[in-house]
Amino acid sequence: KAGVTQTPRYLIKTRGQQVTLSCSPISGHRSVSWYQQTPGQGLQFLFEYFSETQRNKGNFPGRFSGRQFSNSRSEMNVSTLELGDSALYLCASSLAQVSGANVLTFGAGSRLTVL
Amino acid sequence: EDQVTQSPEALRLQEGESSSLNCSYTVSGLRGLFWYRQDPGKGPEFLFTLYSAGEEKEKERLKATLTKKESFLHITAPKPEDSATYLCAVIDFGNEKLTFGTGTRLTIIP
Repeated sequence: KAGVTQTPRYLIKTRGQQVTLSCSPISGHRSVSWYQQTPGQGLQFLFEYFSETQRNKGNFPGRFSGRQFSNSRSEMNVSTLELGDSALYLCASSLAQVSGANVLTFGAGSRLTVL
Repeated sequence: EDQVTQSPEALRLQEGESSSLNCSYTVSGLRGLFWYRQDPGKGPEFLFTLYSAGEEKEKERLKATLTKKESFLHITAPKPEDSATYLCAVIDFGNEKLTFGTGTRLTIIP
């Protein structure tokens, strides 16, 4: 059974650019959530999608956005990149509608470096 | 707002030396507490879920316990392959968002 797949695994961008990250959940999982992981802050919740609808959003600026497609695949976008956006972006999928209340299966993450 | 504090930040143990990791939390109403393990270059991997004070779960050399204010992850006779960052997370009934601690980086020395 394939796990959660995130692409790209590594990317380097410069300030002001935008980036799109992709996540393919485990087959049958309809809930996808995104987290930002940095050494100082740990994992911070970005947003959660279920059946193409955003169910929850963390405390991040509007430059961070996401969407989910009908096949449950999800993308997140960060516009006008800042140095502080350098982080590991993790996607997680689960069966349940409230993903945080259930076991999450994480992908390996997309490592973003902003120069 | 939910808060999770993990201690210590880092812990080095000799192989076979048992110890405990702490996770203190503040929530309005605990829906669940989760432990995850994260290896370098990988995403977190689920270990345990605890729901109510007094509950305990075990898996190999790991045992998780829960009180009304904190959870402990006890590791008995650890091996080098237990080296990883251990993350604690909570969710309450109010906001449906998972809040993670910053983790404990555990190193087991052969």
